[in-house]
Amino acid sequence: DVKVTQSSRYLVKRTGEKVFLECVQDMDHENMFWYRQDPGLGLRLIYFSYDVKMKEKGDIPEGYSVSREKKERFSLILESASTNQTSMYLCASSSPGIWDRSEEQYFGPGTRLTVT
Amino acid sequence: GQQVMQIPQYQHVQEGEDFTTYCNSSTTLSNIQWYKQRPGGHPVFLIQLVKSGEVKKQKRLTFQFGEAKKNSSLHITATQTTDVGTYFCFISGTYKYIFGTGTRLKVLA
Repeated sequence: DVKVTQSSRYLVKRTGEKVFLECVQDMDHENMFWYRQDPGLGLRLIYFSYDVKMKEKGDIPEGYSVSREKKERFSLILESASTNQTSMYLCASSSPGIWDRSEEQYFGPGTRLTVT
Repeated sequence: GQQVMQIPQYQHVQEGEDFTTYCNSSTTLSNIQWYKQRPGGHPVFLIQLVKSGEVKKQKRLTFQFGEAKKNSSLHITATQTTDVGTYFCFISGTYKYIFGTGTRLKVLA
């Protein structure tokens, strides 16, 4: 059974703290993604990676960075957490797909981050 | 930039009624995917459509891709309480991954 795991289901941090969210997949997928989900806004792409050490900005990268040192692991970093980063964070992975058609994405359970 | 509009935002139906959600793009799409997210859960892939005018069925769910490949719909026949959740369309391209805003479905027993 395919699996994407995230390090925490719930996290509470203080403003200004550095926050690490970890994601691990066991499907040998090349692509990995970080989204945030907010009511009424759907899922918005923060960053994605199509290979080890490769990363691309998504639609809302400001205030975030990522790291992919190993194929199975993709980390999201909030350098200095702010209250407007309180959200649900979802990690996903997928095979690379063909041309401009992506394969299905497999999601982790999500991390609900609260910044106070 | 590319926009993906999904309507309606919310839909409450009586159990047994039909339900449809629509996804509209400002540009021609190469493909579209649909996902379902149960309350408290994470999105789960339902289907991918690729061809113009394509129609695919999964039991009570019917997915359609428009002839111009700019819109898509998901129709559920005779809804059940297990259909509750949020349905998202998803479009992708070269280094492009965009989810629709979702339609939240409530089914009243």
